[in-house]
Amino acid sequence: EAGVVQSPRYKIIEKKQPVAFWCNPISGHNTLYWYLQNLGQGPELLIRYENEEAVDDSQLPKDRFSAERLKGVDSTLKIQPAELGDSAVYLCASSLDAGELFFGEGSRLTVL
Amino acid sequence: DQQVKQNSPSLSVQEGRISILNCDYTNSMFDYFLWYKKYPAEGPTFLISISSIKDKNEDGRFTVFLNKSAKHLSLHIVPSQPGDSAVYFCAASARNNDKIIFGKGTRLHILP
Repeated sequence: EAGVVQSPRYKIIEKKQPVAFWCNPISGHNTLYWYLQNLGQGPELLIRYENEEAVDDSQLPKDRFSAERLKGVDSTLKIQPAELGDSAVYLCASSLDAGELFFGEGSRLTVL
Repeated sequence: DQQVKQNSPSLSVQEGRISILNCDYTNSMFDYFLWYKKYPAEGPTFLISISSIKDKNEDGRFTVFLNKSAKHLSLHIVPSQPGDSAVYFCAASARNNDKIIFGKGTRLHILP
């Protein structure tokens, strides 16, 4: 069974440029999460979807971050414009009925 | 305000000995606790969990102990093996909102 797939694995951009990350969850998992992980820190929740509905986006900086999960399957996370402090690993995870989380390998963003 | 605290950034243990990783939490509403393991350049993977109705859960070499009165849990690995060298994240959630909060992690080094 395929795990959570994320792309790109690595992205280097200049500040003020846009960037997008894509996530395909495990087939059948209705809950999808985007987490941010800074160096030396644990994952911090940005947004959680139940099917196509964002049920918790309280930690998403909505001035520059946006996310969508239009058909309740794969999801994209966008940052526009990126700032230096956005350099981090962006982790996607999925679960069945908010049970155990299965994480992807993450997308490492470097903003120059 | 850190709701899940892992106060030891790193821990070194001799191969074959017991590794004990500690975690404290502040939110009395948490009733489900998890441990995740993370290798470099990979996403976290689920290791073991415990519900607040239990005080111990065992899975092979891994045992999690929960002390609700002290708001403390620990992960015991015995015997420790070289492949156990990784970062271990403690996480907690309150089932009524399904939001999983992670600690900052503890890096475990298993010494030969």
